[in-house]
Amino acid sequence: GQQLNQSPQSMFIQEGEDVSMNCTSSSIFNTWLWYKQDPGEGPVLLIALYKAGELTSNGRLTAQFGITRKDSFLNISASIPSDVGIYFCAGQALRGAQKLVFGQGTRLTINP
Amino acid sequence: NAGVTQTPKFQVLKTGQSMTLQCAQDMNHEYMSWYRQDPGMGLRLIHYSVGAGITDQGEVPNGYNVSRSTTEDFPLRLLSAAPSQTSVYFCASSYSPGTGLDTQYFGPGTRLTVL
Repeated sequence: GQQLNQSPQSMFIQEGEDVSMNCTSSSIFNTWLWYKQDPGEGPVLLIALYKAGELTSNGRLTAQFGITRKDSFLNISASIPSDVGIYFCAGQALRGAQKLVFGQGTRLTINP
Repeated sequence: NAGVTQTPKFQVLKTGQSMTLQCAQDMNHEYMSWYRQDPGMGLRLIHYSVGAGITDQGEVPNGYNVSRSTTEDFPLRLLSAAPSQTSVYFCASSYSPGTGLDTQYFGPGTRLTVL
């Protein structure tokens, strides 16, 4: 089946640093989504991307939909302690399709 | 709105026991789905439903049954639990495609341990 490769698997950074993570796929997706999961909670949607080449920001977060439609990245600028958590990318092969394919997640740890 | 709710939050079962994980949403979403989350593997789709009375299999459906008798509820049944079903289970819901509001919202999860 379709798979997403998300990297890095984990990151250990200092507060204030910028963060970058990405997802790649062997298949084309028409929608890319980025979620954050806090301990003991379900994933919460951060950014949704619907068009190849699209660059979207949500506060300190910026994500881009790759022009090949096979990749996406998420950047976090000036990290703060509450950014700690696991970040997941997810792809939808069909716009609005119920079937989401998830990456393995990037665990972000921040040293104050 | 309560959003997507799941019960129980934690459950321990013995091999061979059966149980139902409950999921409800009060947002009038047509789409509902169940995922399992295992370490290092992200979330994998178990079953999904595009509306009341309609269900379909996801990536890992074996060992699980679902039904959708109402728009609000989408229970997940384990008929004979196995240790391989130890996982965290998430329910999600969304509006229909084409509405521009079809991104999925997740419940808080049910942590299941099968001994």
